[in-house]
Amino acid sequence: DGGITQSPKYLFRKEGQNVTLSCEQNLNHDAMYWYRQDPGQGLRLIYYSQIVNDFQKGDIAEGYSVSREKKESFPLTVTSAQKNPTAFYLCASSGTRNEQFFGPGTRLTVL
Amino acid sequence: AQSVSQHNHHVILSEAASLELGCNYSYGGTVNLFWYVQYPGQHLQLLLKYFSGDPLVKGIKGFEAEFIKSKFSFNLRKPSVQWSDTAEYFCAVLTGGSYIPTFGRGTSLIVHP
Repeated sequence: DGGITQSPKYLFRKEGQNVTLSCEQNLNHDAMYWYRQDPGQGLRLIYYSQIVNDFQKGDIAEGYSVSREKKESFPLTVTSAQKNPTAFYLCASSGTRNEQFFGPGTRLTVL
Repeated sequence: AQSVSQHNHHVILSEAASLELGCNYSYGGTVNLFWYVQYPGQHLQLLLKYFSGDPLVKGIKGFEAEFIKSKFSFNLRKPSVQWSDTAEYFCAVLTGGSYIPTFGRGTSLIVHP
C-alpha cells in the first residue's frame, strides 16, 4: 500500500528532552511537510521540504528541526527550546498536483 | 498574507439535515481549492478539490463544493448528512504557483442519529 507512516503514534517526553518523530513515504513525492494541529487552530506549518537536502521554515519553526537526507524520509525533532510542545503532529507529502497526503499523526505529550 | 476563514467552528445536526460549511479566502489570483476531512481516529484525507473548469465539484460520500470566484468562496455542501459524517473538516487554498497550502481552522461537525 502506498502511503505515509508516522511513528510512534504516542510519545511522552520529559521537559528538557529532545525527541524525534519519524515520517516515511513511499509515494515518490518530492515535497514533504510537518504540521502541528491544536484544537481550534487548524494546521500550522512547521517545516517543509521540496527536495532532498533542502528544507524551509514554516510559520512556527522555532524549537523544531528537520532533516531531509532521503526522498522517503523527513524526521522532525522537537527540541527542548520548544516551549509548548504538547500537540498532535502531522506529516504530509504532495506530488505534482499539490494535493496533500497525510500520515496518521503522532501525539506528543510533555510530562 | 493569504488567509482562509471557516466561519462555522462547531456544527451540530441531526441525520438527514442539509449541510453547508463556509470557506472564504483572501487571495485575488489563481487558486486551487481543497476540502479535507478527518474522521475520528483516522488520517486527514482529501474530500474534494477544485483546480479549474466546472466550479461545482463533487467529492466522495455525496459531498460537493461550489467555487464562486466573485465571493472568494468555496463552500462545502451535502443535502442529507449521516451519523458517519461526524468529523472535522478543513478548507485549504493554494495560490499562484505555490505548493504550500493555507488551511482554515477547521469545522467540527457532529451528526446525531
